[in-house]
Amino acid sequence: AAGVIQSPRHLIKEKRETATLKCYPIPRHDTVYWYQQGPGQDPQFLISFYEKMQSDKGSIPDRFSAQQFSDYHSELNMSSLELGDSALYFCASSPTPGGDEAFFGQGTRLTVV
Amino acid sequence: GQQLNQSPQSMFIQEGEDVSMNCTSSSIFNTWLWYKQDPGEGPVLLIALYKAGELTSNGRLTAQFGITRKDSFLNISASIPSDVGIYFCAGCTSGTYKYIFGTGTRLKVLA
Repeated sequence: AAGVIQSPRHLIKEKRETATLKCYPIPRHDTVYWYQQGPGQDPQFLISFYEKMQSDKGSIPDRFSAQQFSDYHSELNMSSLELGDSALYFCASSPTPGGDEAFFGQGTRLTVV
Repeated sequence: GQQLNQSPQSMFIQEGEDVSMNCTSSSIFNTWLWYKQDPGEGPVLLIALYKAGELTSNGRLTAQFGITRKDSFLNISASIPSDVGIYFCAGCTSGTYKYIFGTGTRLKVLA
C-alpha cells in the first residue's frame, strides 16, 4: 500500500541558509500534519493543512512557513536556519481532519552546520 | 498547553513477558493513537481508538480508551525481541486538527 513519501531523506545546510522539505500524502488523504522531533524528544506539532488551507498551528517559528498544493502535497520552508533547527521532520497524512488515523512518513533528517 | 504523560519512561523485560504502559492527560481527547518508533524512522501506527471504553486488539497488542477520556493503555502480550523501540501515544481533541504526542515509553526486550 502507498505510504507517505517525504523528500529528501537527509539534508545538510549551513546556518542562515534556507531548506525546503516536501511531503506527498497517501492518495485520497486531504489532511497533512508536520512535526519536528529533536534527539530523544517526542514529536512536536508544527502545522496542519486540510483541503489546502491551514487548519491548525503549533510551535512553528516565524522563520518557517508551509503550504499545501492542489495535488495535496505539502512543503515546509525553513529560512535563516539555526543550529537548533537540526532535527527529524515528519509529515503525516489522514483521510479526514482532526481525529482520524494519521500515518507518518519516514522523515527528513535536517542537519544545520 | 496540553501534555500527555506516559509511564513507565522505560522498561526492560524478558522475552515472552507481557508489557503494560499507559498515557494520561489533564485534558479530554476524542481520539487516541498508539505508535511504535524505531531510531531514525517515522512512527508506525499500531492502534486507533475512537470511543471512551473502547478496547481494540491488533495481534499481540491490545489498547483501551479510558472511560474518563483522559487516559489510554497499551498492552503487549508475549513480547519478542522485535518489540524493542519507543512507544508513543497521541491524542486529538475535538475541534482541533493536531495530535499531541506523549513523552514515550522506551521498551527493551532481553532475549
